Amino acid sequence: GAGVSQSPSNKVTEKGKDVELRCDPISGHTALYWYRQSLGQGLEFLIYFQGNSAPDKSGLPSDRFSAERTGGSVSTLTIQRTQQEDSAVYLCASSTGPDRGRNEQYFGPGTRLTVT
Amino acid sequence: EDKVVQSPLSLVVHEGDTVTLNCSYEVTNFRSLLWYKQEKKAPTFLFMLTSSGIEKKSGRLSSILDKKELFSILNITATQTGDSAVYLCAPIPYSGAGSYQLTFGKGTKLSVIP
Repeated sequence: GAGVSQSPSNKVTEKGKDVELRCDPISGHTALYWYRQSLGQGLEFLIYFQGNSAPDKSGLPSDRFSAERTGGSVSTLTIQRTQQEDSAVYLCASSTGPDRGRNEQYFGPGTRLTVT
Repeated sequence: EDKVVQSPLSLVVHEGDTVTLNCSYEVTNFRSLLWYKQEKKAPTFLFMLTSSGIEKKSGRLSSILDKKELFSILNITATQTGDSAVYLCAPIPYSGAGSYQLTFGKGTKLSVIP
């Protein structure tokens, strides 16, 4: 597609429920990144995929968070047993990959998650 | 640990003013620095700077990098209300462990009033 797309754009869920957030990167981009941004805070790195593998999961805040990527394209970020502190905007970005000499990341519109 | 400091944290100017936003960084094996504009949710890419002293320009926006002093500035001339946003910078290290992980500054919130 023309840009990174994410769905849903907004999600309101009750505490304790599981949620799935989806990211569709720019076609041909092998690298995919998830970030989150809490209100008034900077961007916090969560996880990075190169192809379907995730060499770095160090940013995931707890074992309730997981992510996968299939077919080197779409990625899903899953949050189990959501807590109120999970409320944030979850941003996905893609790039041609860190080893191609160009690493500007292009961001999707984000998913605003609100846990009540 | 990588560190990125942006200043000022917020800035209010009138339309037509010129502003300078600052980004200083401490990054192991620095390669390039990115500037983004974030209006609502998604940051949009503005510039990637790799070489010292070479100004990059796009319309009323320009940016330059000083690799010796470890900082970059973003200038906006003749500001417009549409420039109101949070401006983020993020240094990129060379390929290798951690090269993909952008460390963003907290941003400068620019408000342009008519």
